[in-house]
Amino acid sequence: NAGVTQTPKFRVLKTGQSMTLLCAQDMNHEYMYWYRQDPGMGLRLIHYSVGEGTTAKGEVPDGYNVSRLKKQNFLLGLESAAPSQTSVYFCASSHRGPGVSQETQYFGPGTRLLVL
Amino acid sequence: DQQVKQNSPSLSVQEGRISILNCDYTNSMFDYFLWYKKYPAEGPTFLISISSIKDKNEDGRFTVFLNKSAKHLSLHIVPSQPGDSAVYFCAASKSSGNTGKLIFGQGTTLQVKP
Repeated sequence: NAGVTQTPKFRVLKTGQSMTLLCAQDMNHEYMYWYRQDPGMGLRLIHYSVGEGTTAKGEVPDGYNVSRLKKQNFLLGLESAAPSQTSVYFCASSHRGPGVSQETQYFGPGTRLLVL
Repeated sequence: DQQVKQNSPSLSVQEGRISILNCDYTNSMFDYFLWYKKYPAEGPTFLISISSIKDKNEDGRFTVFLNKSAKHLSLHIVPSQPGDSAVYFCAASKSSGNTGKLIFGQGTTLQVKP
């Protein structure tokens, strides 16, 4: 049981390049989230999904797109990377159900992205 | 508009003493609060939570207190241990939205000195 995994761990991009960050969870969770962490800003929600085939915008969605084609995977795309997107990206997942606190999220180890 | 605030960026305490981390929120619709702990180069891990129907929740050395009238919560760690040195994030949620979305504070770096 690996929990939440993220690929890659670290990446350097040039301005204008594109890339996809992959998040996978093996806990059969319905909900998945993408956050970015910047110094002094805490974690800010980029996009989230409440189920396979659904996505929604979070606090800071501009410049990112997401897809949830399979329940266990949540992809975050940067179509044209900008230096402002230099950050650490965390994926998280949570369970939904009677008596279950869906707000308790389980996080991956993070992807460090540097955009030059 | 920072709805969840942790006004102390850092805190240093001696091993064995109490650590008190504070968090304030502005949205009265929040009804569920959590604390996460984060070590360098790792993802945050869930520590403890509290529902707005309670004013205290305890789990071993960790206790969270909620003061709804002041829109304030705090995390007490007693006794503090060097392994508790980490960044602590508080987070808040509105269960009515049924999305599980969390709003995080900026984090407080706790250093526990041996």
